[in-house]
Amino acid sequence: NAGVTQTPKFQVLKTGQSMTLQCAQDMNHNSMYWYRQDPGMGLRLIYYSASEGTTDKGEVPNGYNVSRLNKREFSLRLESAAPSQTSVYFCASGQGSSYEQYFGPGTRLTVT
Amino acid sequence: GQSLEQPSEVTAVEGAIVQINCTYQTSGFYGLSWYQQHDGGAPTFLSYNALDGLEETGRFSSFLSRSDSYGYLLLQELQMKDSASYFCAVRDTGRRALTFGSGTRLQVQP
Repeated sequence: NAGVTQTPKFQVLKTGQSMTLQCAQDMNHNSMYWYRQDPGMGLRLIYYSASEGTTDKGEVPNGYNVSRLNKREFSLRLESAAPSQTSVYFCASGQGSSYEQYFGPGTRLTVT
Repeated sequence: GQSLEQPSEVTAVEGAIVQINCTYQTSGFYGLSWYQQHDGGAPTFLSYNALDGLEETGRFSSFLSRSDSYGYLLLQELQMKDSASYFCAVRDTGRRALTFGSGTRLQVQP
């Protein structure tokens, strides 16, 4: 089992460019999450999907969109990147009540 | 909304015991989770407390007092590899998702 995988691992964008971060899990979890982590800070929820076919906003959704493609895959799209979106992005999945989540290795994104 | 407070940094020596505290404010409480994150790595789940009391998992224990809105993570027999950031988290009110604290950076010294 690969667990939670994310691509790419690193990305540099110019302001205004767009990109999609990919996430997949092979643990048959219903729920999937996207977080961002800024230096020295905790994780902030961007969007989540409690089940296939549903998505909901988290704490910091502005500037992002998501797609729950199927039960395995949950993608995060930046339509017009801004320097404030420079961060490490983590995808996670979990079952049931969400207290135990499994995280991918992260994508380190720099927007110049 | 939710808020969690943790100390930003704790230092301890190898072999010692260290306690990392977490106080929380939330309108609806389901339980307190703890995660560990090494520099450059992903968070990994350590423990979860839904009820008052102490949960033990090897060298790590986690405690919860719902009446005090307080919990802690206890690490015993510290090893150098325990140097990491530790985050407490509570489930969001109205969302099936977690709100994380800002994290406590633990430095274990020889």
